[in-house]
Amino acid sequence: KAGVTQTPRYLIKTRGQQVTLSCSPISGHRSVSWYQQTPGQGLQFLFEYFSETQRNKENFPGRFSGRQFSNSRSEMNVSTLELGDSALYLCASRLSSTGGSFSYGYTFGSGTRLTVV
Amino acid sequence: DAKTTQPPSMDCAEGRAANLPCNHSTISGNEYVYWYRQIHSQGPQYIIHGLKNNETNEMASLIITEDRKSSTLILPHATLRDTAVYYCIVLNSGGSNYKLTFGKGTLLTVNP
Repeated sequence: KAGVTQTPRYLIKTRGQQVTLSCSPISGHRSVSWYQQTPGQGLQFLFEYFSETQRNKENFPGRFSGRQFSNSRSEMNVSTLELGDSALYLCASRLSSTGGSFSYGYTFGSGTRLTVV
Repeated sequence: DAKTTQPPSMDCAEGRAANLPCNHSTISGNEYVYWYRQIHSQGPQYIIHGLKNNETNEMASLIITEDRKSSTLILPHATLRDTAVYYCIVLNSGGSNYKLTFGKGTLLTVNP
C-alpha cells in the first residue's frame, strides 16, 4: 500500500515568488492535513481538507492556501514568499469519519523542504 | 485539547527498554492519547494510541494510568533506529477539530 506522497521533496524559491506543493494521500483516505515545521516554532498545523472542503484552519497569513481535488489529492499554495516561510511542509492523510471516535492515526508524508532565499 | 508535558531528552542503551513518560493532567473523558515519533528530517510516524486501557502493537506498548493523567510509551528493546523525537499528543475524538497539536517532544537517543 503506497504511503503519502509529497512532491517535490526539495524546493528553492526567491522572496516574492509563489509556490505550490502537492500531496497524494493513501488510497481511500479522504482527509488531508498540512503542517509547517520550523526550528523556532516546531510542528504547526496549517489546515485540513475533507471531501474537497476546508474543515479546519489555523491562524496563518492569507498567503497560505490550499485545496483538495475530487480524488483527495491536495495542493498547498504560498504566495509572496518570505524568508520566514522556509520550512519543512508536511502533509498527513487519514481515513476520516465525519465525526465521533476514530481509531486510525494520521499517516505523514516525507515532506517538502522549502528554502526561500 | 489538553496540554502535554514531556521531558526534553532521554537516553537509552541499545537492547534495553525505553520508557518515555508523558503528563496530561487536564485530559478529559473523550480525549485519546496518541504517540508519534519523528526521525530526523522525516515526517512523523504514528506509533500507538489509547483511551484508557493499556495498548500494545508491534512497535510499542502504551500504559495509561487509571486516572488518565499520565502515560508511558514503552519500546521494549530499543535499537539505534529508534533514536528520534517522540511526541505525546492528546486529541479529542469528537467534534470537527482533528488537528494534531505537537509540543516539543522528547528526544530519545539510543546508545550502542
